[in-house]
Amino acid sequence: DTGVSQDPRHKITKRGQNVTFRCDPISEHNRLYWYRQTLGQGPEFLTYFQNEAQLEKSRLLSDRFSAERPKGSFSTLEIQRTEQGDSAMYLCASSLDLQPQHFGDGTRLSIL
Amino acid sequence: AQSVTQLGSHVSVSEGALVLLRCNYSSSVPPYLFWYVQYPNQGLQLLLKYTTGATLVKGINGFEAEFKKSETSFHLTKPSAHMSDAAEYFCAVSPRRGGGSYIPTFGRGTSLIVHP
Repeated sequence: DTGVSQDPRHKITKRGQNVTFRCDPISEHNRLYWYRQTLGQGPEFLTYFQNEAQLEKSRLLSDRFSAERPKGSFSTLEIQRTEQGDSAMYLCASSLDLQPQHFGDGTRLSIL
Repeated sequence: AQSVTQLGSHVSVSEGALVLLRCNYSSSVPPYLFWYVQYPNQGLQLLLKYTTGATLVKGINGFEAEFKKSETSFHLTKPSAHMSDAAEYFCAVSPRRGGGSYIPTFGRGTSLIVHP
């Protein structure tokens, strides 16, 4: 069990650029979740996958955001045309069925 | 809809003193309840969870929490604070949906400060 891995740990980009983050869950976990966390707040749910199927999306996930988990293993979260308000920590978590989630250390996104 | 309220954005204690972090929830039925800890620039780590059974739940690092249905509370305690306990603590609630998505709602967090 190597834990949930996220890459990159930090991303700085200019407004309007596209960014993509990767999450590698714990290998036997079938569920994968994406959250966004801003300063002084708890994580806010964005979306989740069961295997390769994206089963739920939050209203926070605007049409500029897209997430994939093509083979039911790693996942990517892409943000197109980034805005200042997208600056946040993006957390990935995984779980086996309904067991508690294990979190990665996150990707911190800063928009210049 | 479910929600979580953590009373106090910051709690300051002396090393060796009792730690008490408060969490109240709102849910139409008793939910699953969790406490997570987050150290700077890291993800969240599960401290303990309540799903069913005994209402006093023991977790890692000497923490425990008690589910009180009548008070809709799930406060986190530790008898004696250690410097290494300084971190952000999050209470979370998720619905008891059979076969559902099990998506937790997190509180805003309480920053625990431990003084020598």
